[in-house]
Amino acid sequence: QQPVQSPQAVILREGEDAVINCSSSKALYSVHWYRQKHGEAPVFLMILLKGGEQKGHEKISASFNEKKQQSSLYLTASQLSYSGTYFCGTEWGAQKLVFGQGTRLTINP
Amino acid sequence: GAVVSQHPSWVICKSGTSVKIECRSLDFQATTMFWYRQFPKQSLMLMATSNEGSKATYEQGVEKDKFLINHASLTLSTLTVTSAHPEDSSFYICSASHPGGITGELFFGEGSRLTVL
Repeated sequence: QQPVQSPQAVILREGEDAVINCSSSKALYSVHWYRQKHGEAPVFLMILLKGGEQKGHEKISASFNEKKQQSSLYLTASQLSYSGTYFCGTEWGAQKLVFGQGTRLTINP
Repeated sequence: GAVVSQHPSWVICKSGTSVKIECRSLDFQATTMFWYRQFPKQSLMLMATSNEGSKATYEQGVEKDKFLINHASLTLSTLTVTSAHPEDSSFYICSASHPGGITGELFFGEGSRLTVL
């Protein structure tokens, strides 16, 4: 079951904040977040395993709701380097990830 | 961090020919690797799970005779697109998890862009 991401695209000015959502109709075992630059492979950002979990690194953080059906990725004070397409992924069997449709983030100076 | 490498980075071939793409884990052993396919501006779609020493597991709708997967060693999986046609043109990406890495973290290869003329 492919998770649903929203919004599909976001355009920001440098320094603004963004929130990307990932939801599923069923409780998830885990949620993974990746960022992909154009023409490159996806790069791992973080994984959340527990309901109610929140974690982050520098100005990028994520949460996983108690029911484990929704996760949000927060980008604070966005930098130009944050541009790319963000994917959430859910596990569908051992290590097998199914990705959402992606959210294209554009940061303008 | 763990490195997964793909080769070639890009390939252009004529319709009807077969193309092989290699996926290597450079500094760790991977009993399982995954093959994804990505069309422009779309998501990564899981094609198959490559299992070392056994047959690959294909996702629904993926033709196993069209996309041959071989995982002959713990560091190498290959994807062969047989009798390629223009609709097979896509970005193919492999991934693997490092045994010593963060639980669930997948490392992706650089991807291989296939263009079938």
